[in-house]
Amino acid sequence: GAVVSQHPSWVICKSGTSVKIECRSLDFQATTMFWYRQFPKQSLMLMATSNEGSKATYEQGVEKDKFLINHASLTLSTLTVTSAHPEDSSFYICSASGPGLAGVSDTQYFGPGTRLTVL
Amino acid sequence: GQNIDQPTEMTATEGAIVQINCTYQTSGFNGLFWYQQHAGEAPTFLSYNVLDGLEEKGRFSSFLSRSKGYSYLLLKELQMKDSASYLCAPVGSMGRRALTFGSGTRLQVQP
Repeated sequence: GAVVSQHPSWVICKSGTSVKIECRSLDFQATTMFWYRQFPKQSLMLMATSNEGSKATYEQGVEKDKFLINHASLTLSTLTVTSAHPEDSSFYICSASGPGLAGVSDTQYFGPGTRLTVL
Repeated sequence: GQNIDQPTEMTATEGAIVQINCTYQTSGFNGLFWYQQHAGEAPTFLSYNVLDGLEEKGRFSSFLSRSKGYSYLLLKELQMKDSASYLCAPVGSMGRRALTFGSGTRLQVQP
């Protein structure tokens, strides 16, 4: 149980285009999803927290108009990187948590990540 | 805010035991997670401690001392596949469920 998928696993795009990344909880209802970014040899940095049916809470320094987050259902959250630039190239990882998961309450289960390269 | 301190890198030999330490300072405390992350992959959950003491789970054990703001992850009978980064993530105030990760400890297991 507690499987989280992400799509796509990797994407290459041209500067100025928008890229949408999907995060799905496959076997549980994720009341909360988190989006992280990780640059090479650095730790995961939280970008935003998303609760189903409400607006995402962004971390300081993360532009909400550039990184659009939608959490329209209990199993799906999307992150759209708008007008992507080379400096947005990174490893984007989502995680999900929810009630009733076997194991520890509030444990976050991570998706496999999406590697974005902006040319 | 949160302050998390872990060694940056460690090296150990296959079959040995290694202890990865983590010290932290948080506003409030609601438990501490350990995750394993192989290069280029997402983190996977290893353990969660909320009370003081040692929690054993197979080859991996995790210890917590809340009064000292200290935790460690103990890996026994090391295997080559244990080469990875190990991330300590204390959870702060009750209302905030997001995890803040330390820089992680890169463990290299040698034959």
